[in-house]
Amino acid sequence: GQQVMQIPQYQHVQEGEDFTTYCNSSTTLSNIQWYKQRPGGHPVFLIQLVKSGEVKKQKRLTFQFGEAKKNSSLHITATQTTDVGTYFCAGWSGTYKYIFGTGTRLKVLA
Amino acid sequence: GAVVSQHPSRVICKSGTSVKIECRSLDFQATTMFWYRQFPKKSLMLMATSNEGSKATYEQGVEKDKFLINHASLTLSTLTVTSAHPEDSSFYICSASPNKGTTQYFGPGTRLTVL
Repeated sequence: GQQVMQIPQYQHVQEGEDFTTYCNSSTTLSNIQWYKQRPGGHPVFLIQLVKSGEVKKQKRLTFQFGEAKKNSSLHITATQTTDVGTYFCAGWSGTYKYIFGTGTRLKVLA
Repeated sequence: GAVVSQHPSRVICKSGTSVKIECRSLDFQATTMFWYRQFPKKSLMLMATSNEGSKATYEQGVEKDKFLINHASLTLSTLTVTSAHPEDSSFYICSASPNKGTTQYFGPGTRLTVL
C-alpha cells in the first residue's frame, strides 16, 4: 500500500540553527499537507501544496513540493524554541483519505 | 477559522465497558470525518472514514464491531469503543473536512485509559 516516510525521525538543533524535514511518498500525490503537533496537543494545519514544484513561505517556514509530486520538504530558518514539536506531512493520493508521514520530532535547545 | 471539538478530552474506564467519543464541527458542515489513533511518539494511524448518512469505511485491520462509528449529521460523528480492553488505551483524534482532499481540521483528541 501507499507509504509516506519522513526523515529524519528526530532532530535536535541549537536555537538559531536551520532545520529541514523531508517527506517521501511511494506514489504520486494530488496534494500534500503539513501539520505541526506540539507535545500533548493535536495536529495543527500549516499549509497545503498542490502544484508540481510549488514553493510556499510562511515567515521562517519554507515548503516545497517536488516536481514529480512524490516528495516534499519543510525548512525552518533560524529555529526558535516555539518551533518545538513533531512535524507531519500528509499526502492525498486522490482516493478518500490522507496518508500521514512518520513525522519528524524537532527539539530546539536554547 | 474552522473549529472541531471532541468530547471527552480524557476518559478512564474499566475493562469491559464501552466508551463513546464525540466529534463535532462547530462552524462548518463536514461531509467527511476521520478517526485516527495515535500511540505515544508515533504517527497518526487512520482507523476509519466517516461519511454522513452512510456506513463508515474502515481501514484494514480495524475491527468494525469493536470501533463503532456513527455519522449522525453533517456536524457530528461518534466513535464507540465497545468492550474496551487495556490494549485499546490510546489517544484518539478526529478530524473533519468540508470536502474531500481539502484541509482537515483536527479535534483536540481524547486520551483513553482502560484499566
